[in-house]
Amino acid sequence: DAGVTQSPTHLIKTRGQQVTLRCSPKSGHDTVSWYQQALGQGPQFIFQYYEEEERQRGNFPDRFSGHQFPNYSSELNVNALLLGDSALYLCASSLWDRDNPEAFFGQGTRLTVV
Amino acid sequence: DQQVKQNSPSLSVQEGRISILNCDYTNSMFDYFLWYKKYPAEGPTFLISISSIKDKNEDGRFTVFLNKSAKHLSLHIVPSQPGDSAVYFCAKYNQGGKLIFGQGTELSVKP
Repeated sequence: DAGVTQSPTHLIKTRGQQVTLRCSPKSGHDTVSWYQQALGQGPQFIFQYYEEEERQRGNFPDRFSGHQFPNYSSELNVNALLLGDSALYLCASSLWDRDNPEAFFGQGTRLTVV
Repeated sequence: DQQVKQNSPSLSVQEGRISILNCDYTNSMFDYFLWYKKYPAEGPTFLISISSIKDKNEDGRFTVFLNKSAKHLSLHIVPSQPGDSAVYFCAKYNQGGKLIFGQGTELSVKP
């Protein structure tokens, strides 16, 4: 049973470019959330997708957008990259079940903007 | 608005002794608190959770205590093992389904 998988694991981009990160949730999970973890900080919630719709959004600009596909996999897109976007991006999968809070995380994508 | 705070960035403990990791929160509205462990180059791994209606939850060597009047929770690891060395995050889970994380505490267990 594959857990949460993210690709790529590492990425280097130039300021102003656009990037797409990908996530496949744990088998049986229907909800995907994305988090940004800066160095020395805890993960910060970006947004959450369920039934191919954005259900919740954190305090991130519109440059951050996402998508969920019918097979529950998800993409995170960041436009007009800034140096400050350099971080570890984590995908978490869970069940759309409010009595079950546990989320499973992927290994993350390390994005470096130069 | 830092709703979840872990005020100790690091903690060093001798193998076999107790590790106590602390977390404070400022907003009372929550359903669960969760603790995650993170090794370098890996994603966070779920350890244990506690519902807002409980004071204590235990799972093997890990016990989480919740003090709602003090808005404080703690994770106890007994006995500590070198493999427990990692960064530990507490996170608040709201009905909306998102997790709000603290800054993390790096635990080092010395042999």
